[in-house]
Amino acid sequence: DAGVIQSPRHEVTEMGQEVTLRCKPISGHNSLFWYRQTMMRGLELLIYFNNNVPIDDSGMPEDRFSAKMPNASFSTLKIQPSEPRDSAVYFCASSLISQTNTEAFFGQGTRLTVV
Amino acid sequence: AQSVTQLGSHVSVSEGALVLLRCNYSSSVPPYLFWYVQYPNQGLQLLLKYTTGATLVKGINGFEAEFKKSETSFHLTKPSAHMSDAAEYFCAVSASHNFGNEKLTFGTGTRLTIIP
Repeated sequence: DAGVIQSPRHEVTEMGQEVTLRCKPISGHNSLFWYRQTMMRGLELLIYFNNNVPIDDSGMPEDRFSAKMPNASFSTLKIQPSEPRDSAVYFCASSLISQTNTEAFFGQGTRLTVV
Repeated sequence: AQSVTQLGSHVSVSEGALVLLRCNYSSSVPPYLFWYVQYPNQGLQLLLKYTTGATLVKGINGFEAEFKKSETSFHLTKPSAHMSDAAEYFCAVSASHNFGNEKLTFGTGTRLTIIP
């Protein structure tokens, strides 16, 4: 398996533009997580899906952020409109949640710069 | 609620010396504990994890960690540091065993520097 695949790896956009980040989880995994990493705040969980259903979106900073998981093999995180303070590395992770395993596998991240 | 505290945002050790990265957790239920490593411009990679059973767990690259319930700690150690160990290390806790509602809470990370 190729692991968790995120695209793009780097994104530079102007303030006010819409940004869409994409994630393909590991096949067979039933949970998907979006994290944001900044120097100031470290790793923050934004939203968590289980079996394609959003379970916890309490970490989504505001209404400008939205996430979808239309099927088990694809998820998007959208920021509209984007602001400079959204600049960060966004990680997607997937996991097969079971009685014996809760390990999360991370993608390589999308480095977002909003100018 | 669950939380993780990593003491020391930066740790430097000499090559060949003992590595000790500290992690304390807070959890209202028995926790699952993890250490992840992040190399520059990479995602996080699992080093080791504790769920149940033996409290001393061994991971990749010669790292190990011991779960001490009485101290609410899960410190990461390696007997002899190697230059390739230079990276950022994250401790994480998952304390919701309501399967279908799992999430990891991460510490703020410790950047490990190896001195030649």
